[in-house]
Amino acid sequence: DIVLTQSPATLSLSPGERATLSCRASQSIASSLAWYQQKPGQAPRLLVQDASSRASGIPARFSGSGSGTDFTLTISSLEPEDFAVYYCQQRSNWPLTFGQGTRLDI
Amino acid sequence: VQLVEAGGGLVQPGGSLRLSCEGSGFTFNYWMTWVRQAPGKGLEWVATVNPDGSEKYYVDSVRGRFIISRDNAKNSLYLQLNSLRAEDTAVFYCARGGSRHLDNWGQGTLVTVSP
Repeated sequence: DIVLTQSPATLSLSPGERATLSCRASQSIASSLAWYQQKPGQAPRLLVQDASSRASGIPARFSGSGSGTDFTLTISSLEPEDFAVYYCQQRSNWPLTFGQGTRLDI
Repeated sequence: VQLVEAGGGLVQPGGSLRLSCEGSGFTFNYWMTWVRQAPGKGLEWVATVNPDGSEKYYVDSVRGRFIISRDNAKNSLYLQLNSLRAEDTAVFYCARGGSRHLDNWGQGTLVTVSP
């Protein structure tokens, strides 16, 4: 199984700051990586697919990069509504797997 | 696009439940997936089915106990949960996608396995 390791586990920042979240795969997954945002009591929401393509309706402050084994989600200037948990997920191989999540705290 | 799950509840260990997910606002010929989230934990992929139901994929921990199925005429996805264990306690989400990423999610249904 492909293991996705997210870092850091928790990131504490302020509105207006830049956030950089990392996801590392245990083997190459090309660009088959997505990022999701989950707020308390809500379902996850797709932010970025295929490593760097923003999903429909996602603000431009969210951007994804990387390929192979190392991936990054960047939020250029944090808004109050961005404080949530973020997960990466690979679709390169079965079983589909998720990272353990990064909590973005104020 | 809307996905609405139903069928969760309290069940004893060893028991069974059938979850359903009805889709609307889109043509239902997509890969469809179930993902679960134990209380306070992260997301875990459970199962995926292709558009015509001929291909099914499961995480090892549920293979042989859970069955994913669909009825395209009813725009519905199902998950039959058998031989339930305490560690199956989770919110179960249905999501559109599987061969590609999961682009729309339902609100989830809670399954609690307890004596």
